[in-house]
Amino acid sequence: QKEVEQNSGPLSVPEGAIASLNCTYSDRGSQSFFWYRQYSGKSPELIMSIYSNGDKEDGRFTAQLNKASQYVSLLIRDSQPSDSATYLCAVVRGSTLGRLYFGRGTQLTVWP
Amino acid sequence: DTAVSQTPKYLVTQMGNDKSIKCEQNLGHDTMYWYKQDSKKFLKIMFSYNNKELIINETVPNRFSPKSPDKAHLNLHINSLELGDSAVYFCASSQGLNAEAFFGQGTRLTVV
Repeated sequence: QKEVEQNSGPLSVPEGAIASLNCTYSDRGSQSFFWYRQYSGKSPELIMSIYSNGDKEDGRFTAQLNKASQYVSLLIRDSQPSDSATYLCAVVRGSTLGRLYFGRGTQLTVWP
Repeated sequence: DTAVSQTPKYLVTQMGNDKSIKCEQNLGHDTMYWYKQDSKKFLKIMFSYNNKELIINETVPNRFSPKSPDKAHLNLHINSLELGDSAVYFCASSQGLNAEAFFGQGTRLTVV
């Protein structure tokens, strides 16, 4: 079982729609959860971090964490073509601090 | 001011050569990492250093040798380069072992 799994996509949404990205993780003791955005040929860029159950909102982005279901998601409201990128879910396990486990990413395309 | 900077950005070299990649962060973080992103874009931890001490060595061939002269620097030396070493190598840093990591711009290594 992979440490972090994401829908591989690609996910395609029209401009102005809500994009929903999902991630599950295998270690119930995981402590920290992150979403990164990576444009082609660029480095991963942190867009959200979440540490406790519930929702966390930052502008058009909302991260949702459900530790009981071992599930973390990212919602992008009012999607823009500039949001087109690969979105990476990353998790720090409680038993192996100092190591971010990444999912394989979901490629998002927002079409005008 | 670049927060995490790596040099060089591109590296093309022949099999069997030895090469180094340098990384510096000016964020005052105590933890630094090397990640490898393969052709399928999967990001995998290689090494993790906390306060200059190696804490994670993720089953990397011993041809790869990291060195951290101080908390702001983490270099990666690779001996006897092989074709399979071709990838993008990212340096990252964080404050603490379970916090969000910030990535450098990456070094695209091509072994011919």
